[in-house]
Amino acid sequence: GQSLEQPSEVTAVEGAIVQINCTYQTSGFYGLSWYQQHDGGAPTFLSYNGLDGLEETGRFSSFLSRSDSYGYLLLQELQMKDSASYFCAVRDPGDDKIIFGKGTRLHILP
Amino acid sequence: NAGVTQTPKFQVLKTGQSMTLQCAQDMNHEYMSWYRQDPGMGLRLIHYSVGAGITDQGEVPNGYNVSRSTTEDFPLRLLSAAPSQTSVYFCASAGYSRIPTYGYTFGSGTRLTVV
Repeated sequence: GQSLEQPSEVTAVEGAIVQINCTYQTSGFYGLSWYQQHDGGAPTFLSYNGLDGLEETGRFSSFLSRSDSYGYLLLQELQMKDSASYFCAVRDPGDDKIIFGKGTRLHILP
Repeated sequence: NAGVTQTPKFQVLKTGQSMTLQCAQDMNHEYMSWYRQDPGMGLRLIHYSVGAGITDQGEVPNGYNVSRSTTEDFPLRLLSAAPSQTSVYFCASAGYSRIPTYGYTFGSGTRLTVV
């Protein structure tokens, strides 16, 4: 089985940096993915980490430590449009299920 | 180039009725799945398929059936709707060999209310 833990809510100020953490417990591991979902919309893929370290895509970066079963999504230069829910997800190599965390709601203050 | 198409977008059912949520993708993706999303519960996997003719249960399969007769289509059937099935349903697909590197493509969702 698999489980993922994320904070339910995070608040940050426009222009600042925010980190959203994800810890996981899995019987096997194929890497950690991150998704963004705006209210009323569908989730969209942001990033993937298969190996330890930092992956950067513009203002967004994602980090993975397999030894700690931990990852995070880092959002820099926050903009109001970044207000959304963010989900981490893992794939179980045993049965190919892709399981999501419960999501972190990011609130951005002007 | 439609991506993942879900129909209908909204539906109201009476308790005990059955219906099928449609999902079609035009990207030749092998992997397709259905999730339900409820407030505070994230995305929970209902059923998934790694290719035509192959389906398997996810985390919350009870009350739902699926079939995968073609690569393109992956319908979700509610056998006898219950108020507990009120939710937003998302279909998603991915090229199997690319999971999870390139991630899922999600449909726009079906908002279902059971009264």
